[in-house]
Amino acid sequence: NAGVTQTPKFQVLKTGQSMTLQCAQDMNHEYMSWYRQDPGMGLRLIHYSVGAGITDQGEVPNGYNVSRSTTEDFPLRLLSAAPSQTSVYFCASSSGKANQPQHFGDGTRLSIL
Amino acid sequence: AQKITQTQPGMFVQEKEAVTLDCTYDTSDQSYGLFWYKQPSSGEMIFLIYQGSYDEQNATEGRYSLNFQKARKSANLVISASQLGDSAMYFCAMREVSSNTGKLIFGQGTTLQVKP
Repeated sequence: NAGVTQTPKFQVLKTGQSMTLQCAQDMNHEYMSWYRQDPGMGLRLIHYSVGAGITDQGEVPNGYNVSRSTTEDFPLRLLSAAPSQTSVYFCASSSGKANQPQHFGDGTRLSIL
Repeated sequence: AQKITQTQPGMFVQEKEAVTLDCTYDTSDQSYGLFWYKQPSSGEMIFLIYQGSYDEQNATEGRYSLNFQKARKSANLVISASQLGDSAMYFCAMREVSSNTGKLIFGQGTTLQVKP
């Protein structure tokens, strides 16, 4: 079972470059989210989506864009990478049922030089 | 505003002993869910246990149980008979049902080290 698939697993960028982190899920989940994890700060929500065509900002959205053209895919775009965006990024998905956990991808470790 | 607080940055426990990881939360919603995740050094997020705000009994899953005290807004994770493989970071998270978004708010995490 694939679950939530994130690519790439590692990436190094130069300041000012742009890139897209890919996320795909095969569980037909309505909800998808992007988090970043920084030491001592837990996971913070960047953007989320409640269905195809519907996205909204989370706690730390600046510098990131998302789109959700299909149920399966939820890419995260860094518009102009900054060193402050060095982090581990997680994509997650869940069904609409309140008692169901979010399923996480394996994460993308991103370094901005 | 919704918030999760984990006040123990690091914990040690002797193998085979029980350990409690603290989690307090703040929300104005009456309906919410509380989740615990484990993150080993390999980095993946592993779901452990869930407690609903209207659940009358504390949740249990194998060696994991939740000490849920709704009036105190706490949802502490209890790991019984600790094993070396329990060494990891543990996160408490909350989902407000009324938001209908599926998004989770996470605490800062607690690093647990199990000593042989």
